[in-house]
Amino acid sequence: DAGVTQSPTHLIKTRGQHVTLRCSPISGHKSVSWYQQVLGQGPQFIFQYYEKEERGRGNFPDRFSARQFPNYSSELNVNALLLGDSALYLCASSLSRGGTTINQPQHFGDGTRLSIL
Amino acid sequence: GQSLEQPSEVTAVEGAIVQINCTYQTSGFYGLSWYQQHDGGAPTFLSYNGLDGLEETGRFSSFLSRSDSYGYLLLQELQMKDSASYFCASVEGRRALTFGSGTRLQVQP
Repeated sequence: DAGVTQSPTHLIKTRGQHVTLRCSPISGHKSVSWYQQVLGQGPQFIFQYYEKEERGRGNFPDRFSARQFPNYSSELNVNALLLGDSALYLCASSLSRGGTTINQPQHFGDGTRLSIL
Repeated sequence: GQSLEQPSEVTAVEGAIVQINCTYQTSGFYGLSWYQQHDGGAPTFLSYNGLDGLEETGRFSSFLSRSDSYGYLLLQELQMKDSASYFCASVEGRRALTFGSGTRLQVQP
């Protein structure tokens, strides 16, 4: 079975540009979450989506937005890129029911490594 | 806000037992999860404690005490492949996970 797939794997952008990252969850998983991981730190929660609705948002500026499509895949968009946005962006899917992640393991993709010059 | 504290580094030898502690301060706490991440890899789920007590999965066990806001991951019969970063993460209902900053485990021969 295919795991969580993310694209692209690596991306280089310059300050002020816009980026779109994509994620396909494991088949049957309806919940998708996005995390940002800076080197040497734990992943930081950005968004959670369930059934195309935003169910949670972390402490990130409005430059960050996301959406989930009818096939449960998801996109993360970041506008007006800053140097500090350089990080590994992880997508995770889970078998959440009713949008809750209680006792449901998150299955992570390998991430998109975003570098801002 | 939410915060989880864990040691930054732990070193142990092959075959030994190591315990990685995690203390937390969160609201809306449901349980504690543990994830393993090898360098350059994705975090992978190890265990979840929703209730107080010990959960055992092969060589790995995890413990939770809600009254102490404390948990730990116990790794037995350490192998070289266990060298990785280990993260505790609080589960907060409808939101996703809040991760600690991670413990880097180095297993030496």
